[in-house]
Amino acid sequence: AQSVTQPDIHITVSEGASLELRCNYSYGATPYLFWYVQSPGQGLQLLLKYFSGDTLVQGIKGFEAEFKRSQSSFNLRKPSVHWSDAAEYFCAVRREAGGGNKLTFGTGTQLKVEL
Amino acid sequence: DAGITQSPRYKITETGRQVTLMCHQTWSHSYMFWYRQDLGHGLRLIYYSAAADITDKGEVPDGYVVSRSKTENFPLTLESATRSQTSVYFCAYRTDTYGYTFGSGTRLTVV
Repeated sequence: AQSVTQPDIHITVSEGASLELRCNYSYGATPYLFWYVQSPGQGLQLLLKYFSGDTLVQGIKGFEAEFKRSQSSFNLRKPSVHWSDAAEYFCAVRREAGGGNKLTFGTGTQLKVEL
Repeated sequence: DAGITQSPRYKITETGRQVTLMCHQTWSHSYMFWYRQDLGHGLRLIYYSAAADITDKGEVPDGYVVSRSKTENFPLTLESATRSQTSVYFCAYRTDTYGYTFGSGTRLTVV
């Protein structure tokens, strides 16, 4: 079964500092990978996704993620964090084919931004 | 407009009562999903549907029932609510480009 690990439950960064949120997945083949953001009391918004091709993926709000097959990782990065980025971030994976198109989520990383 | 609506946004119910959470998409996407979100667990899949009248269990289906008589609707029913089902519930559909769009969620409290 596929699984997703987000090792950092909470991360605090200063506004303007760089950010990296870690995500590791467990799946035999190349999965489809996603990052979602959730502001308090809101639903989930898609930041970016990776299916194939260039391993560096650009998303919305200045975020990017890099797929590293050798490390089974799909870390999310942002060069300069804004206070409005404070939210919870979820990494998710689904199988390339079949499996009911189900998304499996990590447990999330809560980002706090210090002014 | 994300094209997916969940109702109600908030619900308080008593233990043992039946409660139905509604999910409606304005499109005709085939795949729809129900997740529950709990602190420390992220989002866990309850049930999903590949098309009208085709549903299957996810990771945590016990105590829940789904139906999908029409493509655009995917209601989730708690047959006899328990306190452990207090959670935030999200409905989603899979888009044609293999993304997933989520509703705004239903916050359910079982007292």
